[in-house]
Amino acid sequence: RKEVEQDPGPFNVPEGATVAFNCTYSNSASQSFFWYRQDCRKEPKLLMSVYSSGNEDGRFTAQLNRASQYISLLIRDSKLSDSATYLCVVSNRDDKIIFGKGTRLHILP
Amino acid sequence: EAQVTQNPRYLITVTGKKLTVTCSQNMNHEYMSWYRQDPGLGLRQIYYSMNVEVTDKGDVPEGYKVSRKEKRNFPLILESPSPNQTSLYFCASSPTGFEQYFGPGTRLTVT
Repeated sequence: RKEVEQDPGPFNVPEGATVAFNCTYSNSASQSFFWYRQDCRKEPKLLMSVYSSGNEDGRFTAQLNRASQYISLLIRDSKLSDSATYLCVVSNRDDKIIFGKGTRLHILP
Repeated sequence: EAQVTQNPRYLITVTGKKLTVTCSQNMNHEYMSWYRQDPGLGLRQIYYSMNVEVTDKGDVPEGYKVSRKEKRNFPLILESPSPNQTSLYFCASSPTGFEQYFGPGTRLTVT
């Protein structure tokens, strides 16, 4: 099982819809979790941290399920500007940071 | 403006010709890191540094060197570049080692 796995997509979603995608991780000792956003040929940018209690920032909600070892990202009322690749990031106790390969999202007008 | 800068942004070079990609941050972060990004492989960590004079190998350190003589700078050195090091390289810094702030990237082609 890969350390961090994401569905590569693409997810093609009409504007205004709600979209959700998951990321699974293999190391049960993983400590910290993040979602990054990367636009084509640009640097990744931190979108949000994922806390055990869940985290909401405007239209974005991130959740952590330790029992099943996955994190999720929910985007409500999607905008054209949400089109990007979303990277799941997991950090372990040994300070190792692992990026998922990303999920591509296309918001359709 | 808080930022991470990398130079050069684009570089085409030949096999075996030593090169250095510079990385600098102005946020007083202790943690810095280098990644390479390749199609189908995602972002892979090359080296990271928790503080000045402290560096550690990431997942793909072969063929690379780094140094951390000052907190703000973390250059990536390719002593003898090879075509399989053609990639998009990102430098990042972090106050904690977790949430990271990336530079704009350096696109390297080795022929």
